[in-house]
Amino acid sequence: TQLLEQSPQFLSIQEGENLTVYCNSSSVFSSLQWYRQEPGEGPVLLVTVVTGGEVKKLKRLTFQFGDARKDSSLHITAAQPGDTGLYLCADAPNFGNEKLTFGTGTRLTIIP
Amino acid sequence: GAVVSQHPSWVICKSGTSVKIECRSLDFQATTMFWYRQFPKQSLMLMATSNEGSKATYEQGVEKDKFLINHASLTLSTLTVTSAHPEDSSFYICSALSDTQYFGPGTRLTVL
Repeated sequence: TQLLEQSPQFLSIQEGENLTVYCNSSSVFSSLQWYRQEPGEGPVLLVTVVTGGEVKKLKRLTFQFGDARKDSSLHITAAQPGDTGLYLCADAPNFGNEKLTFGTGTRLTIIP
Repeated sequence: GAVVSQHPSWVICKSGTSVKIECRSLDFQATTMFWYRQFPKQSLMLMATSNEGSKATYEQGVEKDKFLINHASLTLSTLTVTSAHPEDSSFYICSALSDTQYFGPGTRLTVL
């Protein structure tokens, strides 16, 4: 059974600061997706990464996939209160067309 | 596009009663839908894969006779929690498969 550990579990920082959260897998990812979930809502897909070493940018968010495809990081520049939420990585076979295995999550709070 | 709805958004019921949760894909057809459960402060755990016109596939440890899934059309899957008990209280989230999985807003079930 694949285990996806995310760190830190909780993170609370001031608006304007930078941060990085991590996702580590016990086995190689099929492909990896990052989601953000706000309280009382379903997860929203942020990005899908497939190739080892791949870097994708989404405005102030930078996603990096490890060369060995067993880890990933999400870096947020100049965090804003709207970035607050639960960040989840997921092993996503077939680009998310099969069942997802979610990580343990990082709960991020941006303080205005 | 790719909007998924759930109904109800929240429900409170007495122990021993049954509760039905609906998951609808509003602007696309979905042969496959997934049902997840999320306990407070935890990540999403897949319960079952729902396929239109066939029996659902349940994850290990999920009781198929307790969590009844019916995927009667290409836009609707239902999850019925039978004889609900307080330990079934959770946030139930569905997703519908198009080019990837699109998640519904979730249903919060509280069993008294």
